[in-house]
Amino acid sequence: KNQVEQSPQSLIILEGKNCTLQCNYTVSPFSNLRWYKQDTGRGPVSLTIMTFSENTKSNGRYTATLDADTKQSSLHITASQLSDSASYICVVSAKTNAGKSTFGDGTTLTVKP
Amino acid sequence: DADVTQTPRNRITKTGKRIMLECSQTKGHDRMYWYRQDPGLGLQLIYYSFDVKDINKGEISDGYSVSRQAQAKFSLSLESAIPNQTALYFCATSERSGSNEQFFGPGTRLTVL
Repeated sequence: KNQVEQSPQSLIILEGKNCTLQCNYTVSPFSNLRWYKQDTGRGPVSLTIMTFSENTKSNGRYTATLDADTKQSSLHITASQLSDSASYICVVSAKTNAGKSTFGDGTTLTVKP
Repeated sequence: DADVTQTPRNRITKTGKRIMLECSQTKGHDRMYWYRQDPGLGLQLIYYSFDVKDINKGEISDGYSVSRQAQAKFSLSLESAIPNQTALYFCATSERSGSNEQFFGPGTRLTVL
């Protein structure tokens, strides 16, 4: 069964600090991995997309890494801001199964002043 | 204007009532999805459609039905609403090919009393 597991479930950091969120998956055969940011009560917004051949992708202060061998990804947030407070969702798509996506439960990040 | 719109944004209804949630998109995408999100939990796929004449059940389709009236419109119906269908509902779209990156609407908050 395809699964995506994220850790930690929640995280609290001080403004200006860095943090790293983890995503482990068992989706196979792998097509791509996406990180989304979801503000409370709003729809998720895509941050990064990585295919098998990409092991890092940046979007401003967000940097995602992918290790396709160990089936792990991380999302690193640099110099956090209050607006980074949100849920971060890891989503993995398979090449088969009509390209359906498997969603992780998300990590809730709270940035405090 | 938003690319993916949902109506209504908020709805309170009573047990047993029929409810329809509507989704429209101007992105020209072939694929559309309906998700449900419960507090503190991840997104769960209810139904998805890869084309106007294509409808597929997701993980939690019981108690729900959908209609793909046109490429740009995908509606979700609750034939007889029950309290445990209280949740946040999201519509999403994606292109036929490529990364399957999904673009989400703003969500509909449904409360069933």
